[in-house]
Amino acid sequence: ETGVTQTPRHLVMGMTNKKSLKCEQHLGHNAMYWYKQSAKKPLELMFVYNFKEQTENNSVPSRFSPECPNSSHLFLHLHTLQPEDSALYLCASSQEAGDNSYEQYFGPGTRLTVT
Amino acid sequence: GQNIDQPTEMTATEGAIVQINCTYQTSGFNGLFWYQQHAGEAPTFLSYNVLDGLEEKGRFSSFLSRSKGYSYLLLKELQMKDSASYLCAVRDGDYKLSFGAGTTVTVRA
Repeated sequence: ETGVTQTPRHLVMGMTNKKSLKCEQHLGHNAMYWYKQSAKKPLELMFVYNFKEQTENNSVPSRFSPECPNSSHLFLHLHTLQPEDSALYLCASSQEAGDNSYEQYFGPGTRLTVT
Repeated sequence: GQNIDQPTEMTATEGAIVQINCTYQTSGFNGLFWYQQHAGEAPTFLSYNVLDGLEEKGRFSSFLSRSKGYSYLLLKELQMKDSASYLCAVRDGDYKLSFGAGTTVTVRA
C-alpha cells in the first residue's frame, strides 16, 4: 500500500484516440509528479506540480496535457499519441518543505500501448 | 544536464553481498536517493544520503562521497526477494530528481 493510486493500470489506445490517466495520493503531500519509464531507460520527469501550480514542464510534447485540480489529484490527458509514447507512466508525490528533501512515493503506474 | 551512471545488471548468490555503484555529474546537488523496483511494480524508497558517509538500514546500506560524485548501495545477506531493479537518483533542485537507468540484480539460489 503506497498511498498513491493510478488508474487505469493498463491502456491500449489508437493514435487518434483521447484518453486520460488519473492519479490520486492519500498521503497529504503538497507536490505531485508525472514520469515516463521506457524499457532500459532512466525515468524521465515530465511534469511537477507544487501546491497545484505547475513548476516544471520538461519539454514534453503538447500531446500530453497535465491537470492538477487539487493537491490530491493529478491527471494526464493524452491525444494523438505516437507509438513511441508507449511506456509505463508513473505518478509520484512528496512533501516538500523549505530546503528539506523528502522521498517521493510512487504509484503502480499505467502501462500505455499506442497502436 | 545530468549524467547518472550505474551498471546495467548484476548477479549474485543467495546469502552473498552485492554492491551497486552509482556515479553522477550534476549541475547542483541536494541529496541522493536509492529506490527498489520489482518488475511490474512501483519504485519504493530505500535510502537517502545528503552528507558524506554511510547510512545503514538493516540489510541495506548506502554510501555517499560528494567530492567524488559517487555512491553505492550495499545489499547484505541477499534473499531471493531482493531480485529487482535498483535506481539511483540525484536531487539537483527544489523538487527535481534525475534517475539512472537502473541496475537489475538477479539473486540465484
